[in-house]
Amino acid sequence: DTEVTQTPKHLVMGMTNKKSLKCEQHMGHRAMYWYKQKAKKPPELMFVYSYEKLSINESVPSRFSPECPNSSLLNLHLHALQPEDSALYLCASSQAQGLEETQYFGPGTRLLVL
Amino acid sequence: AQKITQTQPGMFVQEKEAVTLDCTYDTSDQSYGLFWYKQPSSGEMIFLIYQGSYDEQNATEGRYSLNFQKARKSANLVISASQLGDSAMYFCAMREAGSYNTDKLIFGTGTRLQVFP
Repeated sequence: DTEVTQTPKHLVMGMTNKKSLKCEQHMGHRAMYWYKQKAKKPPELMFVYSYEKLSINESVPSRFSPECPNSSLLNLHLHALQPEDSALYLCASSQAQGLEETQYFGPGTRLLVL
Repeated sequence: AQKITQTQPGMFVQEKEAVTLDCTYDTSDQSYGLFWYKQPSSGEMIFLIYQGSYDEQNATEGRYSLNFQKARKSANLVISASQLGDSAMYFCAMREAGSYNTDKLIFGTGTRLQVFP
């Protein structure tokens, strides 16, 4: 089973709202990732957690705040977003970080910021 | 500098025919991994196939095979016997070795494949 789940599937929020995206996997993977994907573009890495510790932050604005409460869960807290933050947010997980480690992606959350 | 190049923004193929999606990469590392993902309009990125830089055999997974030419730095995806459900965006990606816990997956710009009856 290579399932990564994400909730919600769709989210509409105003620029003053606070919301959270949730990602879950039960494959025993120890690396989890957040990507942002704009229309007709490839995914862009935002954050990587390895063994529940933040290992990569790709200079993402502080209005995005990741959290890894345990090895199965990854959250992305959103606050004071801008319309240009509207995108598909993809979560992924892999056994660990490493060259041969395949990342398995969730279905994504489509975010619209008004 | 762009590390993964997919030169075909769009491709058409007739059902049951084979199609090759091109991917070239640039790296000075000896150790790297190459991946292909499929993204239907629903948005989910589906892993298709993996090739390691030290693998001597081309990777195969069902109808998918990877034509790996290391000297030319190319990793083309071959889909045999295309099906209507293969219509999607296809991304080539590379993972390079970095310092501990910093290696990243880098994606190409993608190729949109459309399969027609």
